[in-house]
Amino acid sequence: DQQVKQNSPSLSVQEGRISILNCDYTNSMFDYFLWYKKYPAEGPTFLISISSIKDKNEDGRFTVFLNKSAKHLSLHIVPSQPGDSAVYFCAARGAYGGSQGNLIFGKGTKLSVKP
Amino acid sequence: DTAVSQTPKYLVTQMGNDKSIKCEQNLGHDTMYWYKQDSKKFLKIMFSYNNKELIINETVPNRFSPKSPDKAHLNLHINSLELGDSAVYFCASSRMPGLADEQYFGPGTRLTVT
Repeated sequence: DQQVKQNSPSLSVQEGRISILNCDYTNSMFDYFLWYKKYPAEGPTFLISISSIKDKNEDGRFTVFLNKSAKHLSLHIVPSQPGDSAVYFCAARGAYGGSQGNLIFGKGTKLSVKP
Repeated sequence: DTAVSQTPKYLVTQMGNDKSIKCEQNLGHDTMYWYKQDSKKFLKIMFSYNNKELIINETVPNRFSPKSPDKAHLNLHINSLELGDSAVYFCASSRMPGLADEQYFGPGTRLTVT
């Protein structure tokens, strides 16, 4: 049972344009969301996060939007650069019970930014 | 000056063997984790240790035994390896458990069981 879903396994974008990566979740108890970026043969690296009490967080070219009513978040990268080509994982943090503190990851979306 | 390091990077072994993967972090973090990324690419938590004490143990066969000799190290020992254990194993650390805090991951260990 996937609690965090990234329905697009891949995304191709032209350099300079906007990249939009989407993530849906099913558990309304999640209280914190994170995006990780992963290059081949490396571990995931933290990119940006957002608390469930906010609807937007921005860090340079990266903005994460959270729509709690729709249980949906998205990562916007503007402008996209070839170095952004990587797999992006959406993760949600469990707030209560046995999942407290756990990060639950989606399957990832492979972003390719073409020059 | 690697923050989270794992050894070995690649591990090929036969079914039934026992193997260990080592993890070290130099970030001064109190909490360390082991994740498994299977063939379907899901990253799933296996264990979490805080100050050398186990705090999360997801549904993992008891053939997997984590050991934390100190706060900076969390090793993973696997007994009687099976084909289904083939995966990439990631170690991670964070300042504390259960806080709004990102985790720092190691480069991963690709385990292949033949």
